[in-house]
Amino acid sequence: GDSVTQMEGPVTLSEEAFLTINCTYTATGYPSLFWYVQYPGEGLQLLLKATKADDKGSNKGFEATYRKETTSFHLEKGSVQVSDSAVYFCALSPYNQGGKLIFGQGTELSVKP
Amino acid sequence: DGGITQSPKYLFRKEGQNVTLSCEQNLNHDAMYWYRQDPGQGLRLIYYSQIVNDFQKGDIAEGYSVSREKKESFPLTVTSAQKNPTAFYLCASSSGRGDGNIQYFGAGTRLSVL
Repeated sequence: GDSVTQMEGPVTLSEEAFLTINCTYTATGYPSLFWYVQYPGEGLQLLLKATKADDKGSNKGFEATYRKETTSFHLEKGSVQVSDSAVYFCALSPYNQGGKLIFGQGTELSVKP
Repeated sequence: DGGITQSPKYLFRKEGQNVTLSCEQNLNHDAMYWYRQDPGQGLRLIYYSQIVNDFQKGDIAEGYSVSREKKESFPLTVTSAQKNPTAFYLCASSSGRGDGNIQYFGAGTRLSVL
């Protein structure tokens, strides 16, 4: 079945460091891909999305490119801030399955001053 | 403000008790979802509903029940048959049309067993 695999955390970075969180997926057809962020004790917020191959989603300095050839959707940010500390979830919405989301296990990011 | 409201924020269940978690949305979305989150894990789908008076089981529906009598409401009941209910429960909704199936989430309910 469809699935999402993320790099394990926690990831600890110093402020202004470059961030990459790897995400690969297995799916039939053409899923939509998402990154969500969860701050402590809160629900999930959509960070960015891409709906077709080669699309680049971007928001708040974060970027991810939908790579069908490598089935990947890696999250990147050029310079992280302490306020970026959170748990990041990669997710896919399978084609024609009623809008369901399949999540990766989440990657905790901690940014130190 | 449009959004999804979950209540209560914290809930405690006694042995053998059923408890109901509330989820209300004013986004005029057709689809609603319930997820369970355990520490260090991703979200797992419990139930979902694409339209009023209809719902489907997700991956971990055993020990849970739902209803969808109104478009804006999708309550989740954790029954006594759910032997390990302690978790963070998240409700979400989506329009299901033209936006790549973006789901919007509530702030969650943390359920603990007394």
